[in-house]
Amino acid sequence: DAGVTQSPTHLIKTRGQQVTLRCSPKSGHDTVSWYQQALGQGPQFIFQYYEEEERQRGNFPDRFSGHQFPNYSSELNVNALLLGDSALYLCASSLTGTSGVGEQFFGPGTRLTVL
Amino acid sequence: QKEVEQNSGPLSVPEGAIASLNCTYSDRGSQSFFWYRQYSGKSPELIMSIYSNGDKEDGRFTAQLNKASQYVSLLIRDSQPSDSATYLCAVNAVFSGGYNKLIFGAGTRLAVHP
Repeated sequence: DAGVTQSPTHLIKTRGQQVTLRCSPKSGHDTVSWYQQALGQGPQFIFQYYEEEERQRGNFPDRFSGHQFPNYSSELNVNALLLGDSALYLCASSLTGTSGVGEQFFGPGTRLTVL
Repeated sequence: QKEVEQNSGPLSVPEGAIASLNCTYSDRGSQSFFWYRQYSGKSPELIMSIYSNGDKEDGRFTAQLNKASQYVSLLIRDSQPSDSATYLCAVNAVFSGGYNKLIFGAGTRLAVHP
């Protein structure tokens, strides 16, 4: 049973560019949440996708957008990159039940460096 | 603002000792609580979930929850050098409309020395 996968592992971009990160959830999971983790900080919630819709969003600008596909995989897009966007981007997979989102399992992350 | 607070550490314990990690949270409506372990340069790994007041044990790990005091802790018995990592406390905060999301603390760095 494959766990959560993310691609690419590392990425180097320059200011102003755009980036797309990808995530495939665990088999049987239907919900994908994206987090940004700066060095020395806990993960910060960006948004969550369920049934191909953005269900919840954190305090991130509209430069951050996403998508969920019918097979539950998801993309995170960041436009007009800033130096401050340099971070580890984490995708977490879970199953939404009657009591809400269950345990979340993280992928290996994408390390984004903006120069 | 829903918040999760942890002591950043480092918490240094000798090999074989009990490591005690603490976390407080602000949202009284939270019902689900999680501990993640994160090695340097890696992603967080879920090690414990707890939903009811009291203790929950899994191997060398014990999670403790006190909703009245809004307090969650993680005990690691017989600490090993391989337990050296950052431990993240996460709380499932509930928002209007029934939506919920994980809010993380900044993590406590644990160092187990031989």
